[in-house]
Amino acid sequence: DIQMTQSPSALSAFAGDRVTIPCRASKNIINHLNWYQQKAGKAPKLLIYAASTLQSGVPSRFSGSGSGTDFTLTISSLQPEDFATYYCQQTYSAPYTFGQGTKLETK
Amino acid sequence: QVQVVESGGGVVLPGRSLRLSCAASGFAFSNYGFHWVRQAPGKGLEWVAVTWYDGSIKDYAESVKGRFTISRDNSRNTLYLQMNSLRAEDTAVYYCARDRGSNSPRGMDFWGQGTLVTVSS
Repeated sequence: DIQMTQSPSALSAFAGDRVTIPCRASKNIINHLNWYQQKAGKAPKLLIYAASTLQSGVPSRFSGSGSGTDFTLTISSLQPEDFATYYCQQTYSAPYTFGQGTKLETK
Repeated sequence: QVQVVESGGGVVLPGRSLRLSCAASGFAFSNYGFHWVRQAPGKGLEWVAVTWYDGSIKDYAESVKGRFTISRDNSRNTLYLQMNSLRAEDTAVYYCARDRGSNSPRGMDFWGQGTLVTVSS
């Protein structure tokens, strides 16, 4: 199985900051990488698919980059509603594993 | 509008069975793959299983292989998860999620609200 690693597990930032959230795969997954946002008590929401394509309706302050084993989710200017937990997921091969998540907290 | 609604969760004894359902509406159900994803209390997301558009191809997480069965009824626009030999570690909120793709993964774009399964004596 492909292991997905998200470190750190928590990140503190101010509203207005530029934030990058890393994700690493245990083997080359090309660009088969998705990013989800989850708020407390809610279902996850798809933000980015195929490593860098913005899902319809997602604000343009979110962007994704990377290929192979190293990927990054960037939020260009944090808004109050962006404080949440972010998960990466590989869809290169089943089982389609998630990272353990990075919780974005207000500083 | 697109909706997916899970049902069937509850409290069950270890070793017993439970079947979850996910009713979909607002789109052509038979054109999409569907996943089950679960989240144990206070933990991260765990992918459980997928079935593609016609139900002929399915995949499972190792943790549930041989115990859980994913299926779909395209005539009823409904996805199922049959869970047998349940264990305490299966306790979680179970989400049904639509894939953007019909026969290969392209990201899960619509999710239900989740249904809680508690395995406890």
